[in-house]
Amino acid sequence: DAGITQSPRYKITETGRQVTLMCHQTWSHSYMFWYRQDLGHGLRLIYYSAAADITDKGEVPDGYVVSRSKTENFPLTLESATRSQTSVYFCASRDSKQYFGPGTRLTVT
Amino acid sequence: EDKVVQSPLSLVVHEGDTVTLNCSYEVTNFRSLLWYKQEKKAPTFLFMLTSSGIEKKSGRLSSILDKKELSSILNITATQTGDSAIYLCAVFSNDMRFGAGTRLTVKP
Repeated sequence: DAGITQSPRYKITETGRQVTLMCHQTWSHSYMFWYRQDLGHGLRLIYYSAAADITDKGEVPDGYVVSRSKTENFPLTLESATRSQTSVYFCASRDSKQYFGPGTRLTVT
Repeated sequence: EDKVVQSPLSLVVHEGDTVTLNCSYEVTNFRSLLWYKQEKKAPTFLFMLTSSGIEKKSGRLSSILDKKELSSILNITATQTGDSAIYLCAVFSNDMRFGAGTRLTVKP
């Protein structure tokens, strides 16, 4: 199906574990983004990518790693999850408009 | 530091009212300003504005950018209960910054 998908949709993990959130888009958009959304903070940009093999830090990059080896995929890795990383994570891609994935709700216990 | 500020933070109106939501920004290397509507799920795109003074319109919603004042407004006329949502403003500059959103509640 065309569009932008995220997996998993829900994840519970323990403090200190590594977690990877997947994002896949079928449009071949150059730009892709990762956000987290928390009450009181709204949407905050973690990382973004202007093209394959080009990534840049956003507003809150600490504790996260991204890669973009292929245009269509933009995985986000939490190297050692902390409770403060409990959040809803949205991936997005854009051309003249920005499209959001359905989100991943991550809980770190 | 880049920032995007939306006002008001919340608004309660009755069906049929007209509302104006505000977004102001301070960013370096402004490229575009975007408006989104978020209900219970992911934000959905409404408008992207790059040029000052040109109104974008979609049904009862319209938006305009004022680069001199570093701001944008989103107007909704003849509001309906289905317009109840959080409206997000975002500015694409060196990265992408979102405002905290305006929570609009439309009462029947």
